[in-house]
Amino acid sequence: AQKVTQAQTEISVVEKEDVTLDCVYETRDTTYYLFWYKQPPSGELVFLIRRNSFDEQNEISGRYSWNFQKSTSSFNFTITASQVVDSAVYFCALERDSNYQLIWGAGTKLIIKP
Amino acid sequence: GAGVSQSPSNKVTEKGKDVELRCDPISGHTALYWYRQSLGQGLEFLIYFQGNSAPDKSGLPSDRFSAERTGGSVSTLTIQRTQQEDSAVYLCASSLEGRQGHEQYFGPGTRLTVT
Repeated sequence: AQKVTQAQTEISVVEKEDVTLDCVYETRDTTYYLFWYKQPPSGELVFLIRRNSFDEQNEISGRYSWNFQKSTSSFNFTITASQVVDSAVYFCALERDSNYQLIWGAGTKLIIKP
Repeated sequence: GAGVSQSPSNKVTEKGKDVELRCDPISGHTALYWYRQSLGQGLEFLIYFQGNSAPDKSGLPSDRFSAERTGGSVSTLTIQRTQQEDSAVYLCASSLEGRQGHEQYFGPGTRLTVT
């Protein structure tokens, strides 16, 4: 079975704190892709990053970083020095090899308080 | 350039009526996806089009749901005899082509309310 679990339903932190959003996945595919999307209050899903299963290098983009660990089937997302504009629902997704559909986690609602 | 557009942005309909939701993908994108986002179910895949190939309908929840894509571009999702459980946000996404790892670009969605 293919599945994505985001155990944190909601996280609330004060601005400038660091925060990590967890993502654990299950798949039997040898090759797969993982994605993170952001859904701000406006509702439109915004692509953040994709990671190939063969590339376990961590990625950093400004205040955002991602930690991919195949050994624990996790693809966690960290925001450093959070800002109010980071408030959104964040989704982790696994791409199916067969038809490229995305299998989504339930999402984590991130609230950054000023 | 223009992103994925969807219309209408909001639709309120009475139970039992048919509705049509429209998606205009990004120009040049050959792959098109429909997803549904509802409170109880999260985001779920509905249907996938790749070019002129037969669509993958494996995610459609019932035979009341159908979709077509004309000329490899615009797509219409039709829900017949709507039920209250069909209330959700229907999201359309497109990608450059149906290949592994291509990011999908999402439209703003159509919020469907069945009364």
